[in-house]
Order: sequence, then C-alpha cells, then structure tokens
Amino acid sequence: KQEVTQIPAALSVPEGENLVLNCSFTDSAIYNLQWFRQDPGKGLTSLLLIQSSQREQTSGRLNASLDKSSGRSTLYIAASQPGDSATYLCAVRVTDSWGKFQFGAGTQVVVTP
Amino acid sequence: DADVTQTPRNRITKTGKRIMLECSQTKGHDRMYWYRQDPGLGLRLIYYSFDVKDINKGEISDGYSVSRQAQAKFSLSLESAIPNQTALYFCATSDPGQGHYGYTFGSGTRLTVV
Repeated sequence: KQEVTQIPAALSVPEGENLVLNCSFTDSAIYNLQWFRQDPGKGLTSLLLIQSSQREQTSGRLNASLDKSSGRSTLYIAASQPGDSATYLCAVRVTDSWGKFQFGAGTQVVVTP
Repeated sequence: DADVTQTPRNRITKTGKRIMLECSQTKGHDRMYWYRQDPGLGLRLIYYSFDVKDINKGEISDGYSVSRQAQAKFSLSLESAIPNQTALYFCATSDPGQGHYGYTFGSGTRLTVV
C-alpha cells in the first residue's frame, strides 16, 4: 500500500525566507502527484499537479519537483509572505488506483511578519 | 457559485442519529469522492463513485453509506452516528477526460457527534 509522509509536521519561518516542504512516498509507480493548500477550517485548494513524466512544475512563486526513483517531491515557495501561512498537503495517485489519491498528513506553515 | 458545494457547512448531532451530508458539483465530472480528515491523519477515502451506477468502498467505509442521485450529486450518510465520526468531511471530483486526474474539493462539512 502506498504511504505518503510529510516532514516536518509544522514549520515556522520569518517573512521573506524561502519555504521548502517535503513529501515522500513508498511506491514509485505513481501516475501523478498533487500539492494542495488548506486554510484553517476550509477546503483544499490545488496548487500544482505533476505528472509522472515531469520533473517539476512552476506557478508564480511556487515550484514543485518530483523524483520518482527516490520517492520524493519538494514544494518550494520563494520569498514567503504571511499570507502563505496554511497547511500544505501532498497527494499521490498510484497508477492502478483509478483516480484515488493517497494523502500525506500535511505540513502546517506559519510565516511570521 | 463554487464548483463543488457541500451542505451543511457545520453540524452537531447526537450519538445514534442518522445524518446526511450532501455534495453537488457544477464541473460536469463523472468521478466523485468522499473523504474524512482527522488531525494528524491526513485525508482518508470513505467512498468513491465513477458514475451514477458505479459506487465503491474506500479504506474506511464502515458506518457510512452513499447515494449517487445524479452525475452532479453525491450524498454521504451516517446511519447511526458515533463520537469517533467527529471529523471534517470533504467531497471531491475529478475528470479523467482532462488528462491529469486532478482533484477539485468542496469547502468541507465539520461534523461533531456528541
């Protein structure tokens, strides 16, 4: 069974620093990987989706990389802002899972002014 | 209007009561999902449906049932609510026709069973 781990569980950085969030998975046979943002008590907002054939995806200050062979994805957020404070979750779709994703527990990020 | 709408947003119910959580979507996606989120455990799949006639159990379906009334509507029922079903519940959709199988989530229903 695919297991997805996000370490650390919580992270606090001063405004302006770059954020580096990690996601690891145990089964390298993935179809794609998706990063989400969740604000307290709210739903999940999709940030980036990386197909298994891709090495990275970029959107504005966000960059996500994927290394299937090592079972890792990293989300980089450049020049963090207080508005980036949220919980970030990664989700992996295994190739035979018919659209089902396995989620990590998330990393809670606080960006201090 | 939101692409995926969940009702109610918050609900407090008593142990043993039957409760229904509703989800509707305007994205025209065939695939719909129900997840629950507990602190420190991430999201876990309860049920999923690939079309109106196709409903499947997820990893934690015990104590839950679902109904796919139409392509756009997918309801989750707790037949006899218990306190450990207190959680944040999410509905999601995906569309393989888009070629990437990404998810779109609703805003969630916070359920408390007392």
